[in-house]
Amino acid sequence: DIQMTQSPSSLSASVGDRVTITCRASQRISSYLNWYQQKPGRAPKLLIYGASRLQSGVPSRFSGSGSGTDFTLTVSSLQPEDLATYYCQQSYSDPYTFGQGTKLEIK
Amino acid sequence: QVQLQESGPGLVKPSQTLSLTCTVSGGSISSGDYYWSWIRQPPGKGLEWIGYIYSSGSTYYNPSLKSRITISIDTSRDQFSLKLSSVTAADTAVYYCARDCSSTRGGHWFDPWGQGTLVTVSS
Repeated sequence: DIQMTQSPSSLSASVGDRVTITCRASQRISSYLNWYQQKPGRAPKLLIYGASRLQSGVPSRFSGSGSGTDFTLTVSSLQPEDLATYYCQQSYSDPYTFGQGTKLEIK
Repeated sequence: QVQLQESGPGLVKPSQTLSLTCTVSGGSISSGDYYWSWIRQPPGKGLEWIGYIYSSGSTYYNPSLKSRITISIDTSRDQFSLKLSSVTAADTAVYYCARDCSSTRGGHWFDPWGQGTLVTVSS
């Protein structure tokens, strides 16, 4: 199985800050990397697919980049409603696997 | 807009079989080139993909659970189902169903998701 490792596991930032979360795959996965946002008590929601493609309806302050083994999710200007845990997921090979999550807190 | 809703017992005894159904509304489960997936999340932990089914009935299961899983589909009811046998406390989790999307450029992603249903394994 492909292992996905996110960093940091948690972070705290202020409203308006630029925030970056990284995801590293244990082997090359081309651009087959997705990002999800999970708010407390809610189901995950797709933010980014194909490493950099913004899902319809997702605010443009979210962006994704990377290919191969290293990927990033960036929030350009943090908003209070961005309080959530963020997960990356690879679909390069079955079984699909997720990162362990990054919990984002607002200062 | 497609929506998914999980249903099934919230409590299952150890060694028994967990059974859940996902009902798709706002669109046919047979339309489009979609797979239909189950994903679970133990309390306070991360996400684990369980497996998927295509409208034709073809399936792929996570090898870590393969010996205990059956996923089936009922296109006439726009439903797909999960059965997980010989459950233990380690199978306690929120179980989500999700549409598994793909593109001609490759890759799969989950959108949308059901709201999830908590299944507790306990005597």
